[in-house]
Amino acid sequence: GESVGLHLPTLSVQEGDNSIINCAYSNSASDYFIWYKQESGKGPQFIIDIRSNMDKRQGQRVTVLLNKTVKHLSLQIAATQPGDSAVYFCAETPRTYKYIFGTGTRLKVLA
Amino acid sequence: GAVVSQHPSWVICKSGTSVKIECRSLDFQATTMFWYRQFPKQSLMLMATSNEGSKATYEQGVEKDKFLINHASLTLSTLTVTSAHPEDSSFYICSAREEGRTGNQPQHFGDGTRLSIL
Repeated sequence: GESVGLHLPTLSVQEGDNSIINCAYSNSASDYFIWYKQESGKGPQFIIDIRSNMDKRQGQRVTVLLNKTVKHLSLQIAATQPGDSAVYFCAETPRTYKYIFGTGTRLKVLA
Repeated sequence: GAVVSQHPSWVICKSGTSVKIECRSLDFQATTMFWYRQFPKQSLMLMATSNEGSKATYEQGVEKDKFLINHASLTLSTLTVTSAHPEDSSFYICSAREEGRTGNQPQHFGDGTRLSIL
């Protein structure tokens, strides 16, 4: 389930289950959205992106859904593996090259 | 491809010291690089946008005289934390956009520099 930590919400899932990580973005003018994975002590690693003219995009084991009506973005990870444990950030770009990062969600995969 | 290297990965120094952090795009050219700061269990906060051959653009609240940015080539940007104090201790991360590609594209991130000021 989900819980709110000191600053970072945590999502705990069983290995093999699907994970859904949610993100509410702030700027209705944003036209490009990206999901990053950050492991402890490392920089963010690109997972998948989506442009505002789409509402769904699929990658390998990951799917991003975009709902512009409610300014909501989600990342779905199929068959979650221990290596998926990390902090996941969404980012939006309001028609500039600058990113605005979300608060992040820690994903814990339980064996 | 699209590798960004950041150096050093970890530095400890005394209060009052100036510290330089390098960010290099190894296999692509980057007109624009970005510098972020990240506190524990928090998100990335953009500090400044580094533009090759011109002055950096700083975000509101970031002291440009404290955090000096130089982007002298298409593959290198440096961030110098001048006269560092304990409150400057943080995780600093750079990213780069690939030159020659128009429109939206993902930024490529370095692995960060852990700065600890004693």
